[in-house]
Amino acid sequence: QQQVKQSPQSLIVQKGGISIINCAYENTAFDYFPWYQQFPGKGPALLIAIRPDVSEKKEGRFTISFNKSAKQFSLHIMDSQPGDSATYFCAATLSGGYQKVTFGIGTKLQVIP
Amino acid sequence: NAGVTQTPKFRVLKTGQSMTLLCAQDMNHEYMYWYRQDPGMGLRLIHYSVGEGTTAKGEVPDGYNVSRLKKQNFLLGLESAAPSQTSVYFCASSYATRENTIYFGEGSWLTVV
Repeated sequence: QQQVKQSPQSLIVQKGGISIINCAYENTAFDYFPWYQQFPGKGPALLIAIRPDVSEKKEGRFTISFNKSAKQFSLHIMDSQPGDSATYFCAATLSGGYQKVTFGIGTKLQVIP
Repeated sequence: NAGVTQTPKFRVLKTGQSMTLLCAQDMNHEYMYWYRQDPGMGLRLIHYSVGEGTTAKGEVPDGYNVSRLKKQNFLLGLESAAPSQTSVYFCASSYATRENTIYFGEGSWLTVV
């Protein structure tokens, strides 16, 4: 059972455009939502994260929008650059004891010049 | 600061052979994980450990064994490799906190022929 559904699986955006990746979750007990960025040949690395009591978080060109009632969250990359080309994973975490992290399936982003 | 180090980076095995993937972290993290990454499947948790001497099964544990004899090391073993275990394997670690950022190694590419 896929508890975090991520779409699209692949995305091509022109340089300077906005990249949008969406995730939806089912378990209302999730209480922390990170995004990881993975470059080819490397391991994923934390990009940005949000708690469910916040509707938006911005770090530079990267913004997470969070809709608790719809159980959805999304990553927006403004002014997308070729260097942003990577695979992006959304995730959701349950706190308390062992914090199991559930990852989305990943979105392969390609930013073309 | 090395972070999470995995060895080997690449390996080709014949069906039925055994091998061990080694993982070491130098961040004094309590939690350690082994994931596999396959196209269209995202990151799937194989086994994890919440402390030295403890291990537990993740989503896809069959065909794998793990050991954590020292806090900084987490070993993943394949007793009898199968072609279905061809994958990229990531070791990761994190602190035991609510917002536990997961730190990934660079991956081990395993091909079973």
